[in-house]
Amino acid sequence: EVQLVESGGGLMQPGESLRLSCAASGFTVSDKYMSWVRQAPGKGLEWVSVLHNGGSTDYADFVKGRFTISRDESKNTLYLQMNSLRAEDTAVYYCARDGDWNQIEYWGLGTLVTVSS
Amino acid sequence: QTVVTQEPSFSVSPGGTVTLTCGLTSGSVSTSYYPSWYQQTPGQPPRTLMYSTNIRSSGVPDRFSGSILGNRAALTITGAQADDESHYYCVIYMGRGVRVFGGGTKLTVL
Repeated sequence: EVQLVESGGGLMQPGESLRLSCAASGFTVSDKYMSWVRQAPGKGLEWVSVLHNGGSTDYADFVKGRFTISRDESKNTLYLQMNSLRAEDTAVYYCARDGDWNQIEYWGLGTLVTVSS
Repeated sequence: QTVVTQEPSFSVSPGGTVTLTCGLTSGSVSTSYYPSWYQQTPGQPPRTLMYSTNIRSSGVPDRFSGSILGNRAALTITGAQADDESHYYCVIYMGRGVRVFGGGTKLTVL
């Protein structure tokens, strides 16, 4: 059974850094495209970043240069390193796995990041 | 910049039929964009409903169907039920795992 479990969220101040983790089970993270999607309070879903199975990455413009997606194959875990946090980064961050038809097939439960002074 | 548009809200009567749509501010949605649909109720993660235009995810009832209508992707619910009351998000696939989400449609069943 595929499971994605996010952790690492919390209350941060503007300018600080935070690393989110997504522990995967039931498959190997390096075999699939893995993404982060976020949702600000009361707002819609927003694609953040993708890590391709080959190791290349893509980012939404609003996090480019500040966030870094990566994985640890030995831990079967996906990460999102978030630097220079801003108030507008406040959101629930979901880890997601692609399926075979360019869809998001599996979602984690999410972890809340709050950026406030 | 690609912007995906959805109706902000829709209302349907129990047992009724409703079609939610998804378009682009510039251009047409086609099957080449592998449009997908996600359902979300408050406090829950999204649930994948439909992908590659019209393929239902496992466990999704057949009252949900997907299509291309004109220049937009569409999600039709036939015989709406109370627990279909949710937010519905359309996603356009831009390639290499890059996606653009629509703003979502809040569906009310009453």
